[in-house]
Amino acid sequence: EDKVVQSPLSLVVHEGDTVTLNCSYEVTNFRSLLWYKQEKKAPTFLFMLTSSGIEKKSGRLSSILDKKELFSILNITATQTGDSAIYLCAVEGYALTSGTYKYIFGTGTRLKVLA
Amino acid sequence: DTAVSQTPKYLVTQMGNDKSIKCEQNLGHDTMYWYKQDSKKFLKIMFSYNNKELIINETVPNRFSPKSPDKAHLNLHINSLELGDSAVYFCASSLLNRRNEKLFFGSGTQLSVL
Repeated sequence: EDKVVQSPLSLVVHEGDTVTLNCSYEVTNFRSLLWYKQEKKAPTFLFMLTSSGIEKKSGRLSSILDKKELFSILNITATQTGDSAIYLCAVEGYALTSGTYKYIFGTGTRLKVLA
Repeated sequence: DTAVSQTPKYLVTQMGNDKSIKCEQNLGHDTMYWYKQDSKKFLKIMFSYNNKELIINETVPNRFSPKSPDKAHLNLHINSLELGDSAVYFCASSLLNRRNEKLFFGSGTQLSVL
């Protein structure tokens, strides 16, 4: 069965710390891996990764994918209180039962950054 | 201007009632989804429609019936609401058969069944 596992489930850090969030997956016919940030409402898109070893970067956030070992990490440097959120990992894979692609989400990592 | 909009934002109702949630997207996407997010924040797909055709139907009770009148709209009707239906329901859309296209989410409908 396809699955996406995120770790840790929750994390509390202080402002200025660096955090690394993990996402491992077992998905049929992988197509892409996406990271989302969810604060109070809708998940907002951070990164899409399709190729191994190519780092995507946006400000203090960066992410990389390892398609051989089937995982991705999301790094946040110099954390701020505004980074407090749930970070969701989703993997797009082929669903044999429905004959189409679908996104499978992990359980999320709840990050709290203390001032 | 909202890309994926769903209504209502909040829904509080009694057990046994029937309710609907509406979703519309103006992104020109061909595929729309309903996701349920439980109290532990786990997002699980319920249904997906591609060009008005049901393509994903996960293990969801028959009390949940999606309807897609056109590819820009996907509504969710729930019959005989139960306490366990309380959750946040997210609508989303994407372009299914195009690579490197991400999923766009609506702002969610928080359903509370009393």
